[in-house]
Amino acid sequence: RKEVEQDPGPFNVPEGATVAFNCTYSNSASQSFFWYRQDCRKEPKLLMSVYSSGNEDGRFTAQLNRASQYISLLIRDSKLSDSATYLCVVNSASGDDKIIFGKGTRLHILP
Amino acid sequence: DAGVIQSPRHEVTEMGQEVTLRCKPISGHNSLFWYRQTMMRGLELLIYFNNNVPIDDSGMPEDRFSAKMPNASFSTLKIQPSEPRDSAVYFCASSLQREGEQFFGPGTRLTVL
Repeated sequence: RKEVEQDPGPFNVPEGATVAFNCTYSNSASQSFFWYRQDCRKEPKLLMSVYSSGNEDGRFTAQLNRASQYISLLIRDSKLSDSATYLCVVNSASGDDKIIFGKGTRLHILP
Repeated sequence: DAGVIQSPRHEVTEMGQEVTLRCKPISGHNSLFWYRQTMMRGLELLIYFNNNVPIDDSGMPEDRFSAKMPNASFSTLKIQPSEPRDSAVYFCASSLQREGEQFFGPGTRLTVL
């Protein structure tokens, strides 16, 4: 099993729809999790951290499921400007002390 | 606030040449990371520094790659000699602490012919 896995997509979603994607991780000792957004030919930027209790920021909701070892990102009322690649980041911070980025999920919001 | 600064933004060189990439982290940040991004392999962590000290260089692909951080405001990533398979976008990122939000520079797009 890969250390961090994401569905590469692309997800083609009509504007206004809700879309969700997951990221699975293999190291059960992983301690911190993030979602980054990367626009075409740009650098990644932090979208949101993922807390054990889940967290919401406007139209975006992030969840952590430790039992099944995945994190999720839900985008409601999607906008054209949400089109980007979404990278999950898993930080073990113990043992092998690794920071691992997923390869990303491409999202296209269609007008 | 200038953010993380990288130079050059683009580099085209011939196989066998030495390449030096430069990074200025955000002032006050203690951790600095070098990444390489390709379509095939995604974003890979090459090395990271904490308080100017290299902590984990296990991601450095081979001895042709080396990184230094002589002070808190400057780091270099050197490839010598360069090969076509080194072609990628190289990002530098910094953070207040290792586990925190990372701020990325705009990247250096390297093409080795």
